[in-house]
Amino acid sequence: EDKVVQSPLSLVVHEGDTVTLNCSYEVTNFRSLLWYKQEKKAPTFLFMLTSSGIEKKSGRLSSILDKKELFSILNITATQTGDSAIYLCAPRNSGNTPLVFGKGTRLSVIA
Amino acid sequence: ETGVTQSPTHLIKTRGQQVTLRCSSQSGHNTVSWYQQALGQGPQFIFQYYREEENGRGNFPPRFSGLQFPNYSSELNVNALELDDSALYLCASSLRAGTDTQYFGPGTRLTVL
Repeated sequence: EDKVVQSPLSLVVHEGDTVTLNCSYEVTNFRSLLWYKQEKKAPTFLFMLTSSGIEKKSGRLSSILDKKELFSILNITATQTGDSAIYLCAPRNSGNTPLVFGKGTRLSVIA
Repeated sequence: ETGVTQSPTHLIKTRGQQVTLRCSSQSGHNTVSWYQQALGQGPQFIFQYYREEENGRGNFPPRFSGLQFPNYSSELNVNALELDDSALYLCASSLRAGTDTQYFGPGTRLTVL
């Protein structure tokens, strides 16, 4: 059975801090891993990772995948209050299968 | 904004009732997936529709059913509502079945009393 574990489950930081969110997975025939940010309702797409060791970057957010150790991290530098959200990771295996989400990491950034 | 819309935004029902939730996919997307997200959990896959056919189903009972229409919009129907059905219901559209990136709508918050 596919398994996704995110850590920490929740995190409180001050503005300007750097955070690292973790996602470990067990998925047969792994194909890709997606990160989403969920603020109120709709998860919004952040990154899709398919290759090990290649960092994807968007502004202050970056993410990398390790297919050998079966994990991914999402880094956020110089955090802002607008980064407060739940961050979800979802690995995908080959074939037409659904996203399998972790429970998410709830990040709270305080001024 | 992803271009995926859902209605209604909120809904309150009582146990035993039936509910229909609606989703309009992003333009050009022919695949819609439905997810249930209980409080404190990640979204759980219910089923997917591709070109009006069910194309995969998660571990949900048959009282969860769906439809996809020729314009690729979709409905989720839940019969005989139970208290545990209270959740945020999300639909996500993708360009085609098997495409990795899914774009989510704002969800429908269902409360069952």
